[in-house]
Amino acid sequence: AQKVTQAQTEISVVEKEDVTLDCVYETRDTTYYLFWYKQPPSGELVFLIRRNSFDEQNEISGRYSWNFQKSTSSFNFTITASQVVDSAVYFCALSEFMTTDSWGKFQFGAGTQVVVTP
Amino acid sequence: DAGVTQSPTHLIKTRGQQVTLRCSPKSGHDTVSWYQQALGQGPQFIFQYYEEEERQRGNFPDRFSGHQFPNYSSELNVNALLLGDSALYLCASSYPQGPETQYFGPGTRLLVL
Repeated sequence: AQKVTQAQTEISVVEKEDVTLDCVYETRDTTYYLFWYKQPPSGELVFLIRRNSFDEQNEISGRYSWNFQKSTSSFNFTITASQVVDSAVYFCALSEFMTTDSWGKFQFGAGTQVVVTP
Repeated sequence: DAGVTQSPTHLIKTRGQQVTLRCSPKSGHDTVSWYQQALGQGPQFIFQYYEEEERQRGNFPDRFSGHQFPNYSSELNVNALLLGDSALYLCASSYPQGPETQYFGPGTRLLVL
């Protein structure tokens, strides 16, 4: 069974500080995808990034960066120089690939509320 | 490029009633998934439709059913509503291959009294 854990329920920062969100996952599959989504107060989940299990290269996209470590089953996400508009709930999600009866089933974590104050 | 749309945005029902929620996928997508998100929790997978058939299902009772139309739009039906069905219902669309990125609509907020 797949499982995603986001241990941080809420993180509060002052604008321009960096924010790192933790995500730990469990899966028996060797091929899987990991995602980060943002949910602002409006409710719509906004896709941010996706990483497959074969690519552990960490990247930076604008103010977003991620650290994927297969050895520790972690997929952490960092917002650099946070802004008030970054205030939202952030979800980590896992989708397995090799188990066909899991295709399309995104397993989400409980989410981390990020509050950025001016 | 139209994104995922859902209707209605809000809905209030009473226990025992039935409800139908609607979703139109993002242009070019033919797979639709439905999720239930209770307050303060992450979305929970209900089911996924592809080629007008239910392809995957999460741990939801048979009171939750769905349908996909030839134009790829989809409906979620919930019968015999319970107070615990109050939640945000999210629709997501994607391409059909495995773990493709899912793009979400704004959701329908259902309140069961």
